[in-house]
Amino acid sequence: GAVVSQHPSRVICKSGTSVKIECRSLDFQATTMFWYRQFPKQSLMLMATSNEGSKATYEQGVEKDKFLINHASLTLSTLTVTSAHPEDSSFYICSAREVLGTEAFFGQGTRLTVV
Amino acid sequence: QKEVEQNSGPLSVPEGAIASLNCTYSDRGSQSFFWYRQYSGKSPELIMSIYSNGDKEDGRFTAQLNKASQYVSLLIRDSQPSDSATYLCALPGAGSYQLTFGKGTKLSVIP
Repeated sequence: GAVVSQHPSRVICKSGTSVKIECRSLDFQATTMFWYRQFPKQSLMLMATSNEGSKATYEQGVEKDKFLINHASLTLSTLTVTSAHPEDSSFYICSAREVLGTEAFFGQGTRLTVV
Repeated sequence: QKEVEQNSGPLSVPEGAIASLNCTYSDRGSQSFFWYRQYSGKSPELIMSIYSNGDKEDGRFTAQLNKASQYVSLLIRDSQPSDSATYLCALPGAGSYQLTFGKGTKLSVIP
């Protein structure tokens, strides 16, 4: 299957700082990427849909000014958690679908811990 | 809003047995269905997709789809301890590409 690379896999940051997470499709072009968040023992919750060359679409309850998404190319989307707080500690996962594909492939995930 | 329901488990089966995981969905118009496996602390990985009514087999895995009854299931034959994970059912959501996930069923295969 297609490969989606997410970096970093783990990050610890201080409260109030910002963290950037990268998601790359390595062997295919993805006009759309998705960002999910997963708290312990809970399911994946879609945060936003990242569209190449346009503004991201955020799910209800997700603060767009706090979770900045940039999708500047067909292979790269970034999620920046701004002014992070301990409650933002979670597992963040990106996924991407090929332009004509039906299956979604996931990055390795990023474990964010805010102290 | 599309809903996907799964029994959260945990489902415990002995090694070598058949594990049966079930998923129901609300949208009769859904055409694509996916099963993902997620190990603790890892991201989901796609293990099966199914688009037509009936069974689809891939190795020890069999996906079953019944659109009339709006359920999709995953059977794992000859279960192994390495199959212990959370299994997520997913189908396309309201948008054209996003997926809606069930909460997942935690499977434990007991040696």
